[in-house]
Amino acid sequence: AQKITQTQPGMFVQEKEAVTLDCTYDTSDQSYGLFWYKQPSSGEMIFLIYQGSYDEQNATEGRYSLNFQKARKSANLVISASQLGDSAMYFCAMREGRGGGSYIPTFGRGTSLIVHP
Amino acid sequence: NAGVTQTPKFQVLKTGQSMTLQCAQDMNHNSMYWYRQDPGMGLRLIYYSASEGTTDKGEVPNGYNVSRLNKREFSLRLESAAPSQTSVYFCASRADTPNSPLHFGNGTRLTVT
Repeated sequence: AQKITQTQPGMFVQEKEAVTLDCTYDTSDQSYGLFWYKQPSSGEMIFLIYQGSYDEQNATEGRYSLNFQKARKSANLVISASQLGDSAMYFCAMREGRGGGSYIPTFGRGTSLIVHP
Repeated sequence: NAGVTQTPKFQVLKTGQSMTLQCAQDMNHNSMYWYRQDPGMGLRLIYYSASEGTTDKGEVPNGYNVSRLNKREFSLRLESAAPSQTSVYFCASRADTPNSPLHFGNGTRLTVT
């Protein structure tokens, strides 16, 4: 069974609108963390935002925010005021456990976002 | 500030040939990783190294070997390349704190014919 599920292979959004990319996860650990990465067409992987399982507030980083619903095991990425440069693949990833050397990040299959002008 | 450096960027091999992908990081990270990325499959872990001198298998280790040469360098070797190993390979490293993200190299696009 997949530990990270991204159910939207592709998403389209109009420039300046907000978009939500879905991510659900499966873990029995109490301590875990969720990460989102962006991969533009140039291929590099860019870290966007992190949410720890014990963080009480939803994480925000500029136009990126994480809608973290622990009971539903979901960690959706919200991009506000979409820009053409947001067109990319987006990956959700999870680390389980307390970190350190045993931290093995697991990735979802990704969502392709296209921003229309 | 170089971060994570991978070489080569592109490589074409014939079936049965061998090669080594090189990776080095200058951030003093203990943990390093090798992933492969295939269309529709996300990133899958091949091998990782939690510290200098240790390596462990990930999800898809068959056909690969790794060496953690020192704290900076973590290489991935294909002993006898197969077309199924055609992929984009990423090396990554991270700091030891739980909220530390992965820092990725720019990737190696490998084609095996």
